[in-house]
Amino acid sequence: GDSVTQMEGPVTLSEEAFLTINCTYTATGYPSLFWYVQYPGEGLQLLLKATKADDKGSNKGFEATYRKETTSFHLEKGSVQVSDSAVYFCALTIQGAQKLVFGQGTRLTINP
Amino acid sequence: GAGVSQTPSNKVTEKGKYVELRCDPISGHTALYWYRQSLGQGPEFLIYFQGTGAADDSGLPNDRFFAVRPEGSVSTLKIQRTERGDSAVYLCASSLQIADTQYFGPGTRLTVL
Repeated sequence: GDSVTQMEGPVTLSEEAFLTINCTYTATGYPSLFWYVQYPGEGLQLLLKATKADDKGSNKGFEATYRKETTSFHLEKGSVQVSDSAVYFCALTIQGAQKLVFGQGTRLTINP
Repeated sequence: GAGVSQTPSNKVTEKGKYVELRCDPISGHTALYWYRQSLGQGPEFLIYFQGTGAADDSGLPNDRFFAVRPEGSVSTLKIQRTERGDSAVYLCASSLQIADTQYFGPGTRLTVL
């Protein structure tokens, strides 16, 4: 079945460090790919998305590129801030099926 | 504008009781989704509605779970004969149309004692 595997957390970095959170997927058909973020005490928010191979999603300094050849959608940011501390979820939907399939989440903590 | 709202924010019940969880989607959104998130896990799909009808209920774990959306707006997730394993955060999301971005509510934390 369709699934998403994320880099296990927790991840702890210092402010201004480079961030990568790995995400790979297994899917039948052609998925759309998403990163959602859950800040402390808040609901899930869409961070970025990509709907076809080689698309790059970007928002708030975060980027992820849809790589069909490696079935990956890794999240990157060049210089993290304390305010980026949150739980990050990689997810997919399959064309024709509207449900989101989520990874298990990666907790990120940024220290000043 | 107002986002997705869910009530109650917390619900504590005893094993065997019946509970109802409510979701108010963003005004004008035609699609509504329910997910369940266990501690330390990502959300898992339960059911989604397009208008008043359940378009996909393949994620409901068993027949104790049921959801309705009688007027195509507010939805209620109903759980009969609750079990301790039902304890989780129940998330609701809505989207303008199917295949559009899903916007999530804050969730209802259900605890079954």
